[in-house]
Amino acid sequence: GQNIDQPTEMTATEGAIVQINCTYQTSGFNGLFWYQQHAGEAPTFLSYNVLDGLEEKGRFSSFLSRSKGYSYLLLKELQMKDSASYLCAVRDLAGGYQKVTFGTGTKLQVIP
Amino acid sequence: ETGVTQTPRHLVMGMTNKKSLKCEQHLGHNAMYWYKQSAKKPLELMFVYNFKEQTENNSVPSRFSPECPNSSHLFLHLHTLQPEDSALYLCASSQVVRGRAGNTIYFGEGSWLTVV
Repeated sequence: GQNIDQPTEMTATEGAIVQINCTYQTSGFNGLFWYQQHAGEAPTFLSYNVLDGLEEKGRFSSFLSRSKGYSYLLLKELQMKDSASYLCAVRDLAGGYQKVTFGTGTKLQVIP
Repeated sequence: ETGVTQTPRHLVMGMTNKKSLKCEQHLGHNAMYWYKQSAKKPLELMFVYNFKEQTENNSVPSRFSPECPNSSHLFLHLHTLQPEDSALYLCASSQVVRGRAGNTIYFGEGSWLTVV
């Protein structure tokens, strides 16, 4: 089975930097995703890590340490529109087929 | 336009009704999924279809019945639901090479279901 933990809520100030952590336990690990979900909308893909290290994509970066079962999403130069839930998801391969399991999500509120 | 479309976007049904949710993906993917999202809970994987074969059923009650007639279409048939089944139902798709890791999952915009 899989166990994914991330904080329930976070608050940060516009223009600042925020780091959202995710820890996981899984067998057959084959990648970790971060998704953004605005209220009432579908999740949208942000990043994907399968090897250790940092992946940077504009204002968003994602880090993975497989040995520690740990990832974080880093958001820089926060904007009000970044207020959303951020979902950590882990993929494993069971029987040759992929299965993606999501954490509960971290609701980020950006304040002026 | 997400490449994965779901209909209807909103559905209100009584506990004795029978209804269906429809999902269509325009991305050429070979795997499709149903997820359930309830308030304060993580996205819950319900069903997975790989190459039109159901490969995952996460202990979902039989009042939810999936159907995958081809790799582009996925249905979720609903009957005798309970009020606690009210949730956002998300369809998703991805491309999987059998035995190897696939690409990311793309979600539809979801169907909001209310059972009264």
